Amino acid sequence: NAGVTQTPKFQVLKTGQSMTLQCAQDMNHNSMYWYRQDPGMGLRLIYYSASEGTTDKGEVPNGYNVSRLNKREFSLRLESAAPSQTSVYFCASSATSGVTTGELFFGEGSRLTVL
Amino acid sequence: GNSVTQMEGPVTLSEEAFLTINCTYTATGYPSLFWYVQYPGEGLQLLLKATKADDKGSNKGFEATYRKETTSFHLEKGSVQVSDSAVYFCALSDNSGYSTLTFGKGTMLLVSP
Repeated sequence: NAGVTQTPKFQVLKTGQSMTLQCAQDMNHNSMYWYRQDPGMGLRLIYYSASEGTTDKGEVPNGYNVSRLNKREFSLRLESAAPSQTSVYFCASSATSGVTTGELFFGEGSRLTVL
Repeated sequence: GNSVTQMEGPVTLSEEAFLTINCTYTATGYPSLFWYVQYPGEGLQLLLKATKADDKGSNKGFEATYRKETTSFHLEKGSVQVSDSAVYFCALSDNSGYSTLTFGKGTMLLVSP
C-alpha cells in the first residue's frame, strides 16, 4: 500500500530555474495539500485542493503554482526558484473535504535546495 | 487567526523517564486538536486527537487531554523508549467551513538508553 508518493525526493536547483514536484495518492482521498517545513517554523500550508477541480491558497502561496490533475495527483510548480524556497516539501491527503477528523496522510517529503 | 505554541526543544530524556510536551492554542470557536509525530526521514503521522473539551486522546502509551479552560493539549507518556525519539507537532483545526490544520513549530524529543 503506497499511500502518498512524492517525486523527486531530492533536487538541487539554481536560482531562476523551474521545476515541478509531483504527488500521487492511492487512497481515493478527496483533499490534497502541499506544505513546506523549515527549521524553527514548523509546517506551513502552501496550497490545498478540497476536491478534484478546485485549488486554494494557503498561508505561503507566493512563488508557487499548483495543479490538481485528477483525483489522485496534485503537483506543485516553482516557476522561478529562489533561495528562500530551499525547504522540505510535504504532500498530504485526507479522505474528507476538510480536516475535522484531522487525519492527514503525508508523503516522505522532497528536499529542495536552491543555490 | 489560529495559532499553536509548543515548548521549544530538544527535549532530552533517559529511557523510562516521564515525558511532557506542552502545547497551547489560540482559535475561534471549538477547535479539534491533534498530535502528529515525525520519525527521522519520514513524513508526519497522526498520533492522537481530541475533538471536544475534556476529551482524552491516547495511542501507543501517549495521552493528551483537551483543556478548554487553559487552551492546552499537553502530550504525556509515562515511560519513554529510545524508539520514541522523533519530532512531535501539535496542531488544530477550527472546524469552520472548509478547515485546514494549523501546526505548531514542533518539539524534538531525544531519548537515550
